[in-house]
Amino acid sequence: AQTVTQSQPEMSVQEAETVTLSCTYDTSESDYYLFWYKQPPSRQMILVIRQEAYKQQNATENRFSVNFQKAAKSFSLKISDSQLGDAAMYFCAYKLGNTPLVFGKGTRLSVIA
Amino acid sequence: DAGITQSPRHKVTETGTPVTLRCHQTENHRYMYWYRQDPGHGLRLIHYSYGVKDTDKGEVSDGYSVSRSKTEDFLLTLESATSSQTSVYFCAISESRAVYTYEQYFGPGTRLTVT
Repeated sequence: AQTVTQSQPEMSVQEAETVTLSCTYDTSESDYYLFWYKQPPSRQMILVIRQEAYKQQNATENRFSVNFQKAAKSFSLKISDSQLGDAAMYFCAYKLGNTPLVFGKGTRLSVIA
Repeated sequence: DAGITQSPRHKVTETGTPVTLRCHQTENHRYMYWYRQDPGHGLRLIHYSYGVKDTDKGEVSDGYSVSRSKTEDFLLTLESATSSQTSVYFCAISESRAVYTYEQYFGPGTRLTVT
């Protein structure tokens, strides 16, 4: 079974600085999807960014970017120019075709003013 | 935002009572999922559905059953609630057509407390 590991239960960052959240996964497949979800105190799950494994180019969405290392099975999230509104739980997730998402345990990010 | 609602949003119930949570979607997506979220565990899959009357078990299915009699509704039932089922429950939907890139869209969650 596929597994997703987030090794940092908690992280903190100064406002306007950059932070990187780590995620590794285990799979024997070659074609899959990876996601980062944000969960603010409202509990709503918000998609931050997605990466298709067949694409070599790292995905970017405004201040959010990923470092996708397929051979190393690593998928880290970089948040640039951190803002107070970025404080949340962040979940890394793996998806193979139509099978359900498999989540990591999450990283709680605090942003210090 | 994807049209997904969950009801109730909050519920307190007693041990041993049956509980049904409802997920309703207006997106006509084929796939629906139930997850539970607990501190230190992330989101874990309970059951999912890949079509009307087609369901399968997830990682933590013991003590739960589901039903899907129409595309838009996916029900999660706790036959006899236990304190270990105190959790936040999320419904999600997805579609297999390429334009959707297999994303899962989540409902707002239901906080269930079993006393």
